[in-house]
Formats: sequence, structure tokens, C-alpha cells
Amino acid sequence: GDSVTQMEGPVTLSEEAFLTINCTYTATGYPSLFWYVQYPGEGLQLLLKATKADDKGSNKGFEATYRKETTSFHLEKGSVQVSDSAVYFCALAETSGSRLTFGEGTQLTVNP
Amino acid sequence: GAGVSQSPSNKVTEKGKDVELRCDPISGHTALYWYRQSLGQGLEFLIYFQGNSAPDKSGLPSDRFSAERTGGSVSTLTIQRTQQEDSAVYLCASSLGASLNYGYTFGSGTRLTVV
Repeated sequence: GDSVTQMEGPVTLSEEAFLTINCTYTATGYPSLFWYVQYPGEGLQLLLKATKADDKGSNKGFEATYRKETTSFHLEKGSVQVSDSAVYFCALAETSGSRLTFGEGTQLTVNP
Repeated sequence: GAGVSQSPSNKVTEKGKDVELRCDPISGHTALYWYRQSLGQGLEFLIYFQGNSAPDKSGLPSDRFSAERTGGSVSTLTIQRTQQEDSAVYLCASSLGASLNYGYTFGSGTRLTVV
């Protein structure tokens, strides 16, 4: 079945550092790909998405490009802020339904 | 309401007892999902309701788990004879429609601890 693998956390960075969180997936078809973020004490929020190969999703300075050849959707940000501290989840959606399959999540802590 | 509301936010129960978890979706959202997040793991799909269609129960881990959605709005997830492995955060999400283009809105979850 479909699966998502994220880089293990936790990740700790200093403010203004470059961020990469790796995500790779396994799917039989051509899924849509997502990054969700969970800030402390809050629910999951959609951060960005891409629905086909070579699409780039972007939001709040974060970017991720749908790479079919490497089955990856790595999350990047050029300069992180303390307010970016959260848990980040990579997810995919089956082409024939609306269920999301999530990775295990990566805890990011940004220190001032 | 303005968002997806879940109650209670925390629940501690004794092994063997039944529990009910509640989800109030955003008004007008026809699709409702339950997920479970166990410690150190990702989110596990449990069940999906879409309008008046039969729910997709394929993610329920055992027959001790059931869910209903009354009047196309509020949903209750029931766990009978709870076990310690049921301890997790149970998340509810709703969506305007079945298509992923609408996106999901998640609640803050119910943290269940079985002792």
C-alpha cells in the first residue's frame, strides 16, 4: 500500500538557518502530496500541496517540489524563525479517494 | 463554529472501560474523518463519512471501535473495552467535500490515556 517516510527528528536549528525536511513516498499511482504543520496546542494545518509531478507548492516561505523520479517531496525554507517551531507532517492522497496517508512527523525547534 | 471542535481534550480511562469521543465539524462540511496518532508514529486513518453515503470503515483497527455521524453533523467515536494500546491522540477533520481540492480542517484532538 501507499506509505510516506520522513527524516527522523527532532531537528534543532538556530534562527535564520536553512531548513530541509526530507520526505519520500511509495504509491502505485500518481498521488497528490502535502505538508501539514502542527503548532503547539493547535490542530493540523495545511502548509502546502502539489498535485502533479514537477509542481512546486509554497506558503509562508516554505517550498516543496513534487519529484516523481525520486518519489520525493522535501520541505525547505531559506531562513527559519522561532515561530516555525512545530511538528511537520508529509502526506499523500490516493488518486482514487480522499484519505490522507501521513508520515511520522518531524519535530522542529528553532532557537533564537 | 469557526473550527472543528473535539471533546474532551483529554481523557484518562481504566482498561476495560468504554469511551466516547466527540467531534463537531465545521458547519456545512459534508466530509468527516477520524485519525489516530500514537506516540512516535504518524497519523493512522480510522474512518471517513461523506454525506449520506455508507462510511469507509476500513481503517478501524478492531471491532471494539465504532463511529457514527448523526444528522450529517456531529460524530462520535466509541471504543469499547479499552486496552492500553488504544492510548493515542484521536484527531477529527472535516472538509467541504470529498475532493482533496477542498482541503481538511483538523480539530485539536482528544488525548486518550488508558491505565
